Amino acid sequence: GENVEQHPSTLSVQEGDSAVIKCTYSDSASNYFPWYKQELGKRPQLIIDIRSNVGEKKDQRIAVTLNKTAKHFSLHITETQPEDSAVYFCAARGDNYGQNFVFGPGTRLSVLP
Amino acid sequence: KAGVTQTPRYLIKTRGQQVTLSCSPISGHRSVSWYQQTPGQGLQFLFEYFSETQRNKGNFPGRFSGRQFSNSRSEMNVSTLELGDSALYLCASSTEQGSGGYTFGSGTRLTVV
Repeated sequence: GENVEQHPSTLSVQEGDSAVIKCTYSDSASNYFPWYKQELGKRPQLIIDIRSNVGEKKDQRIAVTLNKTAKHFSLHITETQPEDSAVYFCAARGDNYGQNFVFGPGTRLSVLP
Repeated sequence: KAGVTQTPRYLIKTRGQQVTLSCSPISGHRSVSWYQQTPGQGLQFLFEYFSETQRNKGNFPGRFSGRQFSNSRSEMNVSTLELGDSALYLCASSTEQGSGGYTFGSGTRLTVV
């Protein structure tokens, strides 16, 4: 089955700096990779996703890159703000019937003012 | 559009008891998945239902079960509760398998004493 690793487990950056979180996956059949942000005491929320036929996707200060050959994908946050502080989860899934998402263990991002 | 609704928000149960959690997906979403979230294990997949059928199941003991009704509402049941079952149980809905990411509910925090 699929296995998703995520690094780093914790990340502290100064406000205005960039943050990068990397995930690797094991199943080459996986083709959909979402990222979720979970603030303290709240539900995980989808912030960006990418499909395997695309190498990069941007949405304002957030971008995701995918390297299918190396089986890794990364979340990039530029010009970080205190409200970016949260736990970020990556996930991977294939389109096989009934296949569930496999989540990474999460990265706790702290943006220091 | 109403989001994913989970009830109750909080539960305290005694070891050996059973519990039923409820999830109402976003209107029009037919796929409902359940996850267990704990600090040590992250987001662990329990099961997914689509059109009243369980399509996939994670690696949890048979004490964990679920079902889905014709209106797509889903319930999960845990019998013979153990201390280790204390966790946040998240329900997520999507339109169909493979179409995109999840929308999570706020979760039910279960404490077993």
